[in-house]
Amino acid sequence: DVKVTQSSRYLVKRTGEKVFLECVQDMDHENMFWYRQDPGLGLRLIYFSYDVKMKEKGDIPEGYSVSREKKERFSLILESASTNQTSMYLCASLTTDTDTQYFGPGTRLTVL
Amino acid sequence: QKEVEQNSGPLSVPEGAIASLNCTYSDRGSQSFFWYRQYSGKSPELIMSIYSNGDKEDGRFTAQLNKASQYVSLLIRDSQPSDSATYLCAVTLSGSARQLTFGSGTQLTVLP
Repeated sequence: DVKVTQSSRYLVKRTGEKVFLECVQDMDHENMFWYRQDPGLGLRLIYFSYDVKMKEKGDIPEGYSVSREKKERFSLILESASTNQTSMYLCASLTTDTDTQYFGPGTRLTVL
Repeated sequence: QKEVEQNSGPLSVPEGAIASLNCTYSDRGSQSFFWYRQYSGKSPELIMSIYSNGDKEDGRFTAQLNKASQYVSLLIRDSQPSDSATYLCAVTLSGSARQLTFGSGTQLTVLP
C-alpha cells in the first residue's frame, strides 16, 4: 500500500511567520503534489515536483515555495504566512503505472 | 480553461437505494478518470479509476465513462449510511498525465 504522511494534522501560526509543511512517501514515487482545499473552491494545485530538485508551478503558487531535496520528501513553504493561507493542505504522491494520486492525511493550517 | 463539473448536491438517497453521481469535463484529450471519496475533515481516498469507454465495476461501485460525451459517472448500489461523504471527480489534463483537475465535489447523504 502507498503510504503518504504529512508532518502535522493541525497547525496554528501567526501572520508573518515562516511555515514548513512536510510530506513523505515511501513508494519511491517521482511525482509529488501540494494542494490546498477550501470550501466552495475545491482542490487547487499549488506546486508539483516530478523529480528531485525539479518543481513546477500549479494554479495558485503565489505566496508559496517548495523544496524537494530527496525523492521521498516534498516540502511546502509559506515564506510569510497570511490569514488568507488558512486552509487544508493536502500532499499527494503519484504512481505512474495507473496515473493515480494518493493523498496524505492533510494539514489543517490556521494563520492568526 | 480545463474544467470538471459535478452536481454540487447535496444528494440524499435512502439506505439500500442506488446513488448516481455525475461529472462532465471539458478537455477532450483527458485519458484517465478517477473518483475519490472524502469524509468530512479527512483527505480524499481513491474509490475507482477508469481509462476506457464503458463500465467498470468494483463491489457496490460502478464507474461509467463516455469520452464522446465527455461524461463520467459513479453508481453506488445498495447505498449505506457509511457512504455518506463528498465524492470528487478528477480528470487528467491532456499533455500532462501527471496533473489532475478536480471537480468541486458532490455531497452524498444516505438516510437510514
